[in-house]
Amino acid sequence: QVQLQESGPGLVKPSETLSLTCTVSGGSVSSGSYFWNWIRQPPGKGLEWLGYIYYSGSATYNPSLKSRVSMSVDTSKNQFSLKLRSVTAADTAVYYCARIGSPPKALGWFDPWGQGTLVTVSS
Amino acid sequence: QSVLTQPPSASGTPGQRVTISCSGSDSNIGSNYVYWYQQFPRTAPRLLVSRNGQRPSGVPDRFSGSRSGTSASLVISGLRSEDEADYYCASWDDSLSGYVVLGGGTKLTVL
Repeated sequence: QVQLQESGPGLVKPSETLSLTCTVSGGSVSSGSYFWNWIRQPPGKGLEWLGYIYYSGSATYNPSLKSRVSMSVDTSKNQFSLKLRSVTAADTAVYYCARIGSPPKALGWFDPWGQGTLVTVSS
Repeated sequence: QSVLTQPPSASGTPGQRVTISCSGSDSNIGSNYVYWYQQFPRTAPRLLVSRNGQRPSGVPDRFSGSRSGTSASLVISGLRSEDEADYYCASWDDSLSGYVVLGGGTKLTVL
């Protein structure tokens, strides 16, 4: 059974870069059958899709965040990562990683999800 | 501002049938599958309804999903107290180079 686990700093200063990693166990990030996603949820608010990355390194981002987001994949560690630049308090959220089928247009459901990690942006 | 529109809240009494709507456009719901997720407080969302109304193992058949035009619905039959949660719809959007879109979520209260 595939499991995902987010990790990274829980506190980031304004204007700095938020960096998180998702470790995949019970499956391979190198599988061509899936895309690997980041989704966030500000406290008390709804879900926001940030983007996804394929094992090849090809990524698609939410148009509203495209200028600040980048993702990468490390097949040797079975991990994929998120970087969000120039953060503000509005980026405070629980960040989830999740898997989606390939192609996303036809197999686009998130399953499984990581448990999520809270990142607070504050000085 | 979410691309897909859901009512912020819904409610029902035990045993009732409740419908949660999700409205989109031709580029998303109108031409793509719709998925539904359930989220309890302080936990990650879980997949509730997949494409064509399919449910993952462990999801009761009280939950069903449908789509008509540019709208979709999640129907919960025989409402139970443990169904009190937040519900989100999601789909694919064909605009730009294609991307995932989500609804703003509906908080379901069981009275």
